[in-house]
Amino acid sequence: GAGVSQTPSNKVTEKGKYVELRCDPISGHTALYWYRQSLGQGPEFLIYFQGTGAADDSGLPNDRFFAVRPEGSVSTLKIQRTERGDSAVYLCASSLIGGRAVDTQYFGPGTRLTVL
Amino acid sequence: AQSVTQPDIHITVSEGASLELRCNYSYGATPYLFWYVQSPGQGLQLLLKYFSGDTLVQGIKGFEAEFKRSQSSFNLRKPSVHWSDAAEYFCAVTQGDDKIIFGKGTRLHILP
Repeated sequence: GAGVSQTPSNKVTEKGKYVELRCDPISGHTALYWYRQSLGQGPEFLIYFQGTGAADDSGLPNDRFFAVRPEGSVSTLKIQRTERGDSAVYLCASSLIGGRAVDTQYFGPGTRLTVL
Repeated sequence: AQSVTQPDIHITVSEGASLELRCNYSYGATPYLFWYVQSPGQGLQLLLKYFSGDTLVQGIKGFEAEFKRSQSSFNLRKPSVHWSDAAEYFCAVTQGDDKIIFGKGTRLHILP
């Protein structure tokens, strides 16, 4: 595709529910990143995939958060038992190779998650 | 741990005026530094990046930034702003070559 796409653009859920957020990276990009941007803050790193495997998941806040990338392309961020504090914009980015600062990360428009 | 500080939460300038957005970083070695712009409804877009070499880097949309090691700064500049430059600007630094550490952002307002 032309750029990184994310669906849905907005998601409203109730506390305790399960949600899935999808990211479609730029075609051919092997690296995929998830970030979370809370109101008034800069994006914070969650997890980085190199191909199908999670190369760095040190940013996941707790075990309610999980992400997969089974075929090395589309990725899904899964949040169990959502809490109001999970409300944020979840950003996805992809890069051609990954793991190197020289590789530009291209960001999607984000999914705004609201937990009531 | 690496960190990035953007001391100005909001900046307002008149259209046509010059702009400087401040950024300070904390990192032991030579950092890789970035400036991103985020417009409403748009994804983050890379304006420019510094890895090594010439300390004055040119970016897209007429922006430039200067790396000053002695001041641990990487300020973003533009000689003449346009109304379309109104957006949120993020300074960032890499950590471990995979994750990017972002500052809290500076929101730029343009007066007509």
